Amino acid sequence: DAGVIQSPRHEVTEMGQEVTLRCKPISGHDYLFWYRQTMMRGLELLIYFNNNVPIDDSGMPEDRFSAKMPNASFSTLKIQPSEPRDSAVYFCASSKQGAYEQYFGPGTRLTVT
Amino acid sequence: AQSVTQLDSQVPVFEEAPVELRCNYSSSVSVYLFWYVQYPNQGLQLLLKYLSGSTLVKGINGFEAEFNKSQTSFHLRKPSVHISDTAEYFCAVGRGATNKLIFGTGTLLAVQP
Repeated sequence: DAGVIQSPRHEVTEMGQEVTLRCKPISGHDYLFWYRQTMMRGLELLIYFNNNVPIDDSGMPEDRFSAKMPNASFSTLKIQPSEPRDSAVYFCASSKQGAYEQYFGPGTRLTVT
Repeated sequence: AQSVTQLDSQVPVFEEAPVELRCNYSSSVSVYLFWYVQYPNQGLQLLLKYLSGSTLVKGINGFEAEFNKSQTSFHLRKPSVHISDTAEYFCAVGRGATNKLIFGTGTLLAVQP
């Protein structure tokens, strides 16, 4: 299995630009999670989906953030407009119903200047 | 509400010495417990998990953890560490309702020669 795939691995953009992060979960997994990791705030859960449906988006910091999962094999996290404080590593993880353990992707390092 | 406490933000240890990384959780119901490891510039990787059964759980890279229900703890141990074990270690707890995990703030294990 290829594991969770994220793209791009690195993204550098200017303040005010739109940023789209992509994730392909492990085939057959029912849950998909988006996390953000920073030195100051640690690992934060932003949103998670079950069978492509958003279940809990209470961790999404602002309306500038949105996430979609149009099908079982693809999800996006979009930031529009981006701000320097959005600079972080964004992780996607997936898990299978009843198995509980989550498998993480390699992350996308976002830098907003 | 569930929470996870990792009291030690950093644990320095000499190579070949034993180590214990502490994790305590709060929950009034049955939980599932996990330890993850994060090497620099990588995603989180599952080390071991406790779902049920034997309270002593063995994981990869020679690590083990013991579930102690009365003390609500799930400490991670290794009898002899290597330089390559230098990484951030995260404890996580979940319940049966969803696959959502609550992560601790992490412990940096710094192995010195």
